[in-house]
Order: sequence, then structure tokens, then C-alpha cells
Amino acid sequence: GENVEQHPSTLSVQEGDSAVIKCTYSDSASNYFPWYKQELGKGPQLIIDIRSNVGEKKDQRIAVTLNKTAKHFSLHITETQPEDSAVYFCAAREGGSQGNLIFGKGTKLSVKP
Amino acid sequence: DAGVIQSPRHEVTEMGQEVTLRCKPISGHDYLFWYRQTMMRGLELLIYFNNNVPIDDSGMPEDRFSAKMPNASFSTLKIQPSEPRDSAVYFCASRLGSNQPQHFGDGTRLSIL
Repeated sequence: GENVEQHPSTLSVQEGDSAVIKCTYSDSASNYFPWYKQELGKGPQLIIDIRSNVGEKKDQRIAVTLNKTAKHFSLHITETQPEDSAVYFCAAREGGSQGNLIFGKGTKLSVKP
Repeated sequence: DAGVIQSPRHEVTEMGQEVTLRCKPISGHDYLFWYRQTMMRGLELLIYFNNNVPIDDSGMPEDRFSAKMPNASFSTLKIQPSEPRDSAVYFCASRLGSNQPQHFGDGTRLSIL
């Protein structure tokens, strides 16, 4: 089955700097890769996703890149702000018609003002 | 639009008691998922339903755990009898079709004393 590795587990940046979180996956049939942001006391919220027919996707300060050959994908946050502080999870959908999401272990991002 | 609604938000009970967690998925969504989140194991899929039918319950840890979905707008996750190691945050999520994003509720924080 699918296995998703996420690095780093913690990341601390200064406000205004960029943050990069990386994930690798094992199932070459995986075709959908969402990223979730989880704030304290809340459920994971989808912030951006990418499908396997696209190499990069941007939404304002957030971008995701996908390298299918190497089986890795990354989240890039530019001009970080204190409100970006949260735990971020990557996920990969298993191959198959009802493929479920397999989540990474999460990255705790701290943005220092 | 109303998101996934879970109740209660917090539950504290004594070991051996029955616990029932409730979930109302987003209207129209035909997939419903139950997850458990702990520091040690991250987000684990327990069971999921499609059109109210349980599809995969291989993540349910023990026979003490059971889940039902009597109709398209309601699901329960029951633990009987509860044990301290069941303490975790339990999330419900829903999705429209097999190719759309998954949306999470804000979870139930369960503490078994």
C-alpha cells in the first residue's frame, strides 16, 4: 500500500521568509496530492491540492510542486506570516477507484514575528 | 455552507463506559470517513462509508469499536467498553464522489480516565 513520508517534522522561520515542506510517496498509481493545514483545536483544512497531470499549482502565497518520476511533492509558502503557524499535512491518494488518502506525519510550522 | 459537523467537541468519561461520537457530513456528500489522530500514530483511517455502506473497516482497532451510518446525513462511531488508550481526537470527514477533495470536521477530543 501507499506510504507517505513528510519532512521536516518541525520548521521555524522568520516572518517574511519562505517555508518549504517536502513529502515522498511510494505508490506510483497515486494521482492526487492534497495539503491540509491544521490549527490548534480544529480539523485539517484543505489549502491546496495537485493532480498527477500537473507539475505545479499556485494560489497566492502557496504553491505545490509535483515530481512524478521521483515520487515527491512539496509545499512552498512565500512571505510567511504569523497566522501561517500551524501543523501542515501532506497526503497521497492510493491508486484504485476508491483510493483513500494516506497522510504524512505532519510538519509543525512556527513563524516568528 | 455548513461543513462537517461533529459532536460532542469534547468527551471525558471513565474507563469501561460506552462512548458515542456523532457526525453530520456535508449535504450531498456520498463518502464519509472516520479518523483517529494521536501524537504517536498521526492520522489513521478507521473506517469509511460510500452511500451509507461500510466499504473498508480494516482500520478499526478492535471489536470494541463500531460505526454505523443509518442515513446519508448521520453517522456514529461507538466504543464499548472504552479504555484509556482510546484517548485521542476523532475526526469525521466527507467527500463528494471518488475524485473530489475531502473535508474534515473539527473533531471530538476524547479522554478516557
